[in-house]
Amino acid sequence: DSGVTQTPKHLITATGQRVTLRCSPRSGDLSVYWYQQSLDQGLQFLIQYYNGEERAKGNILERFSAQQFPDLHSELNLSSLELGDSALYFCASSSRSGGYNEQFFGPGTRLTVL
Amino acid sequence: QKEVEQDPGPLSVPEGAIVSLNCTYSNSAFQYFMWYRQYSRKGPELLMYTYSSGNKEDGRFTAQVDKSSKYISLFIRDSQPSDSATYLCAMSSGSGNTGKLIFGQGTTLQVKP
Repeated sequence: DSGVTQTPKHLITATGQRVTLRCSPRSGDLSVYWYQQSLDQGLQFLIQYYNGEERAKGNILERFSAQQFPDLHSELNLSSLELGDSALYFCASSSRSGGYNEQFFGPGTRLTVL
Repeated sequence: QKEVEQDPGPLSVPEGAIVSLNCTYSNSAFQYFMWYRQYSRKGPELLMYTYSSGNKEDGRFTAQVDKSSKYISLFIRDSQPSDSATYLCAMSSGSGNTGKLIFGQGTTLQVKP
């Protein structure tokens, strides 16, 4: 158990809908990262927050947004869902923002868009 | 072309074999190199971490980084069925005050008893 929790574990929804994925980092970690894992693209970095502020953005679609709250949990919002958004979404946390710091991954949320 | 290339396999070996997993990369700014192991339907977990070029050994696992060739490797000695998983290489430059990781596609390994 990495100490990172993600809810829900599974999500099945329809095209055009909006969903919210939730992540609670390890106790004491200030950085939260979101990654998307699909069969064709592998594990891709989406966005990072550090202590409530956006720190880095990857290939995140405009339909996707995220935030980190004062209690450090983070939410990833996916809207106008398309079939191609079906994937595993992982959250990871670490103690610092830059340099090297071990990222601990949560169990993931499996999103299926029908 | 992807920043990090990794042969997805699958790779099947008999128990006790030496396994070699590799990644190549194009971004010379990468200086932190990691190997993650991911079991089916689980999140990735850190296996090995290496800074810059060189070798690092931890039990049956050895990680090698050759920055001049932009090539990293993970060796698993005396492989066990419990090593069956997907192995992901990951890299970071550490710059820009972010530790975002760039991953390879992952190599699926099966160790047969």
